[in-house]
Amino acid sequence: AQSVSQHNHHVILSEAASLELGCNYSYGGTVNLFWYVQYPGQHLQLLLKYFSGDPLVKGIKGFEAEFIKSKFSFNLRKPSVQWSDTAEYFCAVSPTGRRALTFGSGTRLQVQP
Amino acid sequence: ETGVTQSPTHLIKTRGQQVTLRCSSQSGHNTVSWYQQALGQGPQFIFQYYREEENGRGNFPPRFSGLQFPNYSSELNVNALELDDSALYLCASSLGGTGVSYEQYFGPGTRLTVT
Repeated sequence: AQSVSQHNHHVILSEAASLELGCNYSYGGTVNLFWYVQYPGQHLQLLLKYFSGDPLVKGIKGFEAEFIKSKFSFNLRKPSVQWSDTAEYFCAVSPTGRRALTFGSGTRLQVQP
Repeated sequence: ETGVTQSPTHLIKTRGQQVTLRCSSQSGHNTVSWYQQALGQGPQFIFQYYREEENGRGNFPPRFSGLQFPNYSSELNVNALELDDSALYLCASSLGGTGVSYEQYFGPGTRLTVT
């Protein structure tokens, strides 16, 4: 069975700081990778996804993630965070061709103005 | 295009009771997945329905059961409720197909409290 680890449970940044959230997964086959975001009081929204091709994927709101197959990682990045990025971020993985997602435990990001 | 909707929003039940949660999938989506999100945790996969058939199940006991209807809406039923069943229950819909990958779109969830 696959598993997902998110190393940072709670991150506090000032506005304009750069962001990198770590995500590692364990699974022996090919995978699809996702980052979801949950803003306060809102439902889970898809931030970006990787299915195949270019390992650097761009998502909404200036976020991007890089799939490094050799490291089983899919880290999320943003060059300059805003107060509105305060939210919980979840990394998720599914084996290619299946739709059941395995989520990490989430990273709570707090951006201070 | 309407998104995924769930009802009710909140629910309080007593241990031992049964509960039914409902989900309407996003327009055009034929696959529905259910997840349980305990406080401070990531969502955990319960099961998935594709064209009215169960198409995968996570590590949940048989007292968690489900249905999908011809219009692709779905129900999650939980019998003999336990205190640990208190959680946010999320429904997600997607397109489906054998060997094909699609992203899932989540509803707002139903907050279940078992006392």
